[in-house]
Amino acid sequence: EAGVAQSPRYKIIEKRQSVAFWCNPISGHATLYWYQQILGQGPKLLIQFQNNGVVDDSQLPKDRFSAERLKGVDSTLKIQPAKLEDSAVYLCASSIGPNSGNTIYFGEGSWLTVV
Amino acid sequence: AQSVAQPEDQVNVAEGNPLTVKCTYSVSGNPYLFWYVQYPNRGLQFLLKYITGDNLVKGSYGFEAEFNKSQTSFHLKKPSALVSDSALYFCAVRAFSSNTGKLIFGQGTTLQVKP
Repeated sequence: EAGVAQSPRYKIIEKRQSVAFWCNPISGHATLYWYQQILGQGPKLLIQFQNNGVVDDSQLPKDRFSAERLKGVDSTLKIQPAKLEDSAVYLCASSIGPNSGNTIYFGEGSWLTVV
Repeated sequence: AQSVAQPEDQVNVAEGNPLTVKCTYSVSGNPYLFWYVQYPNRGLQFLLKYITGDNLVKGSYGFEAEFNKSQTSFHLKKPSALVSDSALYFCAVRAFSSNTGKLIFGQGTTLQVKP
């Protein structure tokens, strides 16, 4: 079974530029998550989708971050304009459903450096 | 509010010796507890989870964890460490919910297994 796919794996941009990350979840997984992992810290949830609807975006900096999951499968996370403090790993994850007992599976991550 | 504490930034153990990575949690209601491992430049890999039932949970690669409700702990253990177990380990907790439930991560513990 294929895992969660993410691209690009690595990206270096200058501050105030924009960047977009793409994610394809495990087939059949209705729930999709984007996490931000800053070096030396545990991952922090940015946004959770159930199919194509947003369940939780309380920690998403909406002035610069946006995310969508138009057809309930793939998702994109965009940052515009980027700040130095956005340098982090952006982890996409999915689970079969939103129930708290369901295991969340993570992709390899998209590593962003803002210079 | 939910929280997870991993009191040790780093754990050092000799190959062949038993290892323990500590985790304590705080959550309202019954907790769902998870352990993930992260190898350098990789995403998070699921190791094991506690949902209900037997307090001793067995997972991937010979790891196990013991849920202790009175001590609000969920320590990760392995009877005999391998050099290849060297990685960053994250404990995470989710409060019970049927439709959402943020996965909260600890800060992570680096496990170093020396030959």
